[in-house]
Amino acid sequence: GDSVTQMEGPVTLSEEAFLTINCTYTATGYPSLFWYVQYPGEGLQLLLKATKADDKGSNKGFEATYRKETTSFHLEKGSVQVSDSAVYFCALFNSGAGSYQLTFGKGTKLSVIP
Amino acid sequence: SQTIHQWPATLVQPVGSPLSLECTVEGTSNPNLYWYRQAAGRGLQLLFYSIGIGQISSEVPQNLSASRPQDRQFILSSKKLLLSDSGFYLCAWSVGAYTGELFFGEGSRLTVL
Repeated sequence: GDSVTQMEGPVTLSEEAFLTINCTYTATGYPSLFWYVQYPGEGLQLLLKATKADDKGSNKGFEATYRKETTSFHLEKGSVQVSDSAVYFCALFNSGAGSYQLTFGKGTKLSVIP
Repeated sequence: SQTIHQWPATLVQPVGSPLSLECTVEGTSNPNLYWYRQAAGRGLQLLFYSIGIGQISSEVPQNLSASRPQDRQFILSSKKLLLSDSGFYLCAWSVGAYTGELFFGEGSRLTVL
């Protein structure tokens, strides 16, 4: 079945540092890929998405490129802020599998210190 | 604009007691509705989804049930809670089934003692 693997956390960075959170996936066909973010005590919010190979999703300074050859969708940000502290979830949606559900990774907790 | 409300936000229940979590979506019609559970260190688990009134699909066997009495209302229930039911429960909705783009509520934290 489909699966998503993302780097283990927690990740602690200083403000203005460069961020990379790795995400790789296993799926048949051509899934859509997502990054969701969960701020402390809240539900998840969609951060960005990409629906086909080589697409780049971007939002709030975050970027991720859909790499089919490496089955990856790594999240990057050039300069993190304290307000970026949250848990980040990589997810895939495979409509070809006939399922109604997203497949989520286990999440990576990011802490940004001043 | 569309909004989603979940309540209660926090509850502490004894083992063996019943549970009812409610979720309501506003500003849209015929949404697809989902219940997820987020347990510590275990990521997100889809519990139930619904594509219409009275239509509920369960993803995993468990001590919980779901109902959709109205188009925009989704209820998660249990007759007798277990310790293992503790977690953070998230309701979500989507427009159409085949997008993967979900809109989540703020969650309900359940502690079973």
